[in-house]
Amino acid sequence: SAVISQKPSRDICQRGTSLTIQCQVDSQVTMMFWYRQQPGQSLTLIATANQGSEATYESGFVIDKFPISRPNLTFSTLTVSNMSPEDSSIYLCSVDNGRNTEAFFGQGTRLTVV
Amino acid sequence: GNSVTQMEGPVTLSEEAFLTINCTYTATGYPSLFWYVQYPGEGLQLLLKATKADDKGSNKGFEATYRKETTSFHLEKGSVQVSDSAVYFCALSPSSNDYKLSFGAGTTVTVRA
Repeated sequence: SAVISQKPSRDICQRGTSLTIQCQVDSQVTMMFWYRQQPGQSLTLIATANQGSEATYESGFVIDKFPISRPNLTFSTLTVSNMSPEDSSIYLCSVDNGRNTEAFFGQGTRLTVV
Repeated sequence: GNSVTQMEGPVTLSEEAFLTINCTYTATGYPSLFWYVQYPGEGLQLLLKATKADDKGSNKGFEATYRKETTSFHLEKGSVQVSDSAVYFCALSPSSNDYKLSFGAGTTVTVRA
């Protein structure tokens, strides 16, 4: 199994500022995924991050708002830029285990924008 | 595109009751289907999965069968416990080696002693 550590676990931020969320995995993985879970809603995929290439964003998400870094096979960051209260959500990092059997999730980052 | 429709909750049951959470999907090709569970204060965990039609996934007394004819993957447990109180998410991936997941809305289940 893969153990995923996300930081911070929660934060309260002022509107207009940016927050960078870190995702560290205890093993090398090819693909990392970032999801958003808005209050009372399900998880929505933001983007897929592969090492050495630009992240691939899903419809409705853009790089200027959610820039992603993937400097190596065990680490990724998601930045939520120019935040507004509508960005208040739980942000989750996910990886597949490389054996095509399971996806693992971090504990999530609970973001509140005031 | 791919989508998952899940029975909305919340669902409240007594211990030893039978639990069913309905899940239907829309997808092209041959998706894989999953049930994830989120216990209070914990992260998402895979509960069970099925990768092809007629497969039955099972774990911790829970079962779900991949029904292509009805595009369904309903979750069942014959006798729930208080420890089964959690949020349950149905999800699909486009194929068995692609973990870009589409999730249902989630169902909150509370089991009372």
